[in-house]
Amino acid sequence: EAGVAQSPRYKIIEKRQSVAFWCNPISGHATLYWYQQILGQGPKLLIQFQNNGVVDDSQLPKDRFSAERLKGVDSTLKIQPAKLEDSAVYLCASSSYVNSPLHFGNGTRLTVT
Amino acid sequence: SQQGEEDPQALSIQEGENATMNCSYKTSINNLQWYRQNSGRGLVHLILIRSNEREKHSGRLRVTLDTSKKSSSLLITASRAADTASYFCATVSPMDSSYKLIFGSGTRLLVRP
Repeated sequence: EAGVAQSPRYKIIEKRQSVAFWCNPISGHATLYWYQQILGQGPKLLIQFQNNGVVDDSQLPKDRFSAERLKGVDSTLKIQPAKLEDSAVYLCASSSYVNSPLHFGNGTRLTVT
Repeated sequence: SQQGEEDPQALSIQEGENATMNCSYKTSINNLQWYRQNSGRGLVHLILIRSNEREKHSGRLRVTLDTSKKSSSLLITASRAADTASYFCATVSPMDSSYKLIFGSGTRLLVRP
């Protein structure tokens, strides 16, 4: 089966600019996650979708971050405006159902200057 | 907030030796999962152990779970240079209706050839 696809692989922007990341999960996976991983730390969950509905977004900085999952398949994560502390790797993952192992993409490395 | 904390933060061993990593968590769990992350890549699921299980094996991996001590350990036997990676534990809490997966801060393993 094809894995989780993410793009772009790298992105460099200046602070206060906006950026968007795209994720295509494994076909048939109902649950989709966006994690933020700062260098040297473990991934931190930003938002979790079940099909196209939001299950958990308690740690998403909603004043600047937004995410959507149209038609319960692909997802985009947007940051507007970006801050220096948003520099991190943004990982997308999917799973066939809650409580099952996650399959991760290779992430998008964001550098905010 | 992070649920699991791995110990040690970093581990350097010689090829052929065994590597043991520990994970402690704070609240009750539904299951505990271990993931590996190679540099610049996404996380890869290694093994899942349920709260009613005490030990699980997969190839050269052995995971134990002690719910009374709220801890788990990952043992990699006969390590290889290719095992060099960061290893993360992650937990799912039965008290969390979203069943989101919370990651620890990871152990960086270096296997010297």
